[in-house]
Amino acid sequence: DTAVSQTPKYLVTQMGNDKSIKCEQNLGHDTMYWYKQDSKKFLKIMFSYNNKELIINETVPNRFSPKSPDKAHLNLHINSLELGDSAVYFCASSDLSSNQPQHFGDGTRLSIL
Amino acid sequence: GDSVTQMEGPVTLSEEAFLTINCTYTATGYPSLFWYVQYPGEGLQLLLKATKADDKGSNKGFEATYRKETTSFHLEKGSVQVSDSAVYFCALRSNAGNMLTFGGGTRLMVKP
Repeated sequence: DTAVSQTPKYLVTQMGNDKSIKCEQNLGHDTMYWYKQDSKKFLKIMFSYNNKELIINETVPNRFSPKSPDKAHLNLHINSLELGDSAVYFCASSDLSSNQPQHFGDGTRLSIL
Repeated sequence: GDSVTQMEGPVTLSEEAFLTINCTYTATGYPSLFWYVQYPGEGLQLLLKATKADDKGSNKGFEATYRKETTSFHLEKGSVQVSDSAVYFCALRSNAGNMLTFGGGTRLMVKP
């Protein structure tokens, strides 16, 4: 009964390709997030959706487009992949109205060849 | 903007040694503070939290006290185990939003 699940766990692809990462949470949370962790383990917020609406959009290239079909899902689509996109991408969720911490998925390791 | 600074690793200790990982923050208002742990090949897990000044978060033998006067949230454990080897992240969540701002992470290596 995984709380926040991401697929795939590993993604290896070539420069220029388009790929998607999916995230689902079964915690009943109303807010979901995408974080990027670089090779030095530094974590940075990318996007946040609350009830399917974008509420946080940090400085991220337009090639990255999040999509939230419902509040339990937040997918990340990346166009024209570049070498610098290689990282681990973490999905997280929380209940915005409560003071509870965010729950994280296990991450998707994206490697660009 | 908000920021979190952690001591750089790696921190290498022998089993049963005392652990301190320093964390200081800059934020407006009164943020909530967290420690997350990332074991090798896994995602982030919440280790402990504190939501107001002088709160002490504790879990699995780890402790951290929210010190507003020094804007710090140092992580401590009295006796580390090999299984504690992981990367530890200090994070804050400001009252202005729900996003987490992370420190750079500190890798802990515990040798038997």
